[in-house]
Amino acid sequence: EAQVTQNPRYLITVTGKKLTVTCSQNMNHEYMSWYRQDPGLGLRQIYYSMNVEVTDKGDVPEGYKVSRKEKRNFPLILESPSPNQTSLYFCASSRDRGNSPLHFGNGTRLTVT
Amino acid sequence: AQTVTQSQPEMSVQEAETVTLSCTYDTSESDYYLFWYKQPPSRQMILVIRQEAYKQQNATENRFSVNFQKAAKSFSLKISDSQLGDAAMYFCAYRSASSVLTSGSRLTFGEGTQLTVNP
Repeated sequence: EAQVTQNPRYLITVTGKKLTVTCSQNMNHEYMSWYRQDPGLGLRQIYYSMNVEVTDKGDVPEGYKVSRKEKRNFPLILESPSPNQTSLYFCASSRDRGNSPLHFGNGTRLTVT
Repeated sequence: AQTVTQSQPEMSVQEAETVTLSCTYDTSESDYYLFWYKQPPSRQMILVIRQEAYKQQNATENRFSVNFQKAAKSFSLKISDSQLGDAAMYFCAYRSASSVLTSGSRLTFGEGTQLTVNP
């Protein structure tokens, strides 16, 4: 089954404790991205990747890191989480940059206390 | 930068009736793609419908159709014969078709419209 797998689904952590949210897709998609969803703001792009070893900042990259060492994996790293990073996070992939739809993971609800 | 605006934070509709969700966007580009995504309480993001800006014909997917007005930069979603399962948050999204490498990489979302379907 074609899917984007994102883990964990829920995560509660404390300020400053490094964490990683994993994302993997099995569709051989070149394009992958991370979004955060906040009430009243919709989804905003954090980082994206056009292919292996090619990543770039989205609209809200501060406080986040990513890596793309393999085509299928695109982890999101919070080196020192802060309460303002409490949010719902989505990983997404697509075949290309055009009208190909984004395939989303099931989301990670992160709470930073 | 492109912006997408959904001016209706909440909408409600009676089961079997028709409802229209509005979306406007701001762009200086002539070629782009527009999408509507649905997010039910399970929080899964589901593609509802998509439209290429170069196509004049409005996209249709079963009970879902769009009214694409390029000059007005408007992209509304019409849901006919509303069902209880249509209750969800709906997001409008824009994606550039620019050939510039980074320009086509971002999907810009609106704020969302929460749709309630009343039995």
